[in-house]
Amino acid sequence: DAGVIQSPRHEVTEMGQEVTLRCKPISGHDYLFWYRQTMMRGLELLIYFNNNVPIDDSGMPEDRFSAKMPNASFSTLKIQPSEPRDSAVYFCASSSAGTSGVRYEQYFGPGTRLTVT
Amino acid sequence: GNSVTQMEGPVTLSEEAFLTINCTYTATGYPSLFWYVQYPGEGLQLLLKATKADDKGSNKGFEATYRKETTSFHLEKGSVQVSDSAVYFCALSGWGYQKVTFGTGTKLQVIP
Repeated sequence: DAGVIQSPRHEVTEMGQEVTLRCKPISGHDYLFWYRQTMMRGLELLIYFNNNVPIDDSGMPEDRFSAKMPNASFSTLKIQPSEPRDSAVYFCASSSAGTSGVRYEQYFGPGTRLTVT
Repeated sequence: GNSVTQMEGPVTLSEEAFLTINCTYTATGYPSLFWYVQYPGEGLQLLLKATKADDKGSNKGFEATYRKETTSFHLEKGSVQVSDSAVYFCALSGWGYQKVTFGTGTKLQVIP
């Protein structure tokens, strides 16, 4: 089975430009997460969805960040306008409630390395 | 709220040495506990898990035991290899609760 797919793997853009990161979760998973990883702040949860509905976006740093999940197999994270401090690796992860309703491990994509100059 | 504290790295070991990475947690109720590993240039992947007190998770020679009395979940391996060089994250999730709380990660470097 294919794992979580993210695109692009690398993105270099200039300050002020719009950036869109994409994620395809594992088929059948009903939870999707967006994380950001930097050396200074470690791994941060930005937002997560359940059945395509945003549940908790308290980690989204500011209004420049937005995320959508139009269907069960696709999500985007958009930054507009981008700033140098947004440079980081952005991960998408998905998980499933399973038959017991208790959720466990998350499956991570390979990440998108964003550089804003 | 939930939190995870793990030992700071980097940890440098010679091949075949014994590894321990300490992890303690704070949580209400009975969380599930995990160790994730991140190899260079890749996303995190689940290494092992334990879902109740005294459970021992194991995988690829790594082990960790869920100790409720000490709120700990230390990662161990008897003989590390160069290929084990990676960043290791301790994590927890509450019962029926989807969010996973991650530690800050411990970088392990194994030298030949």
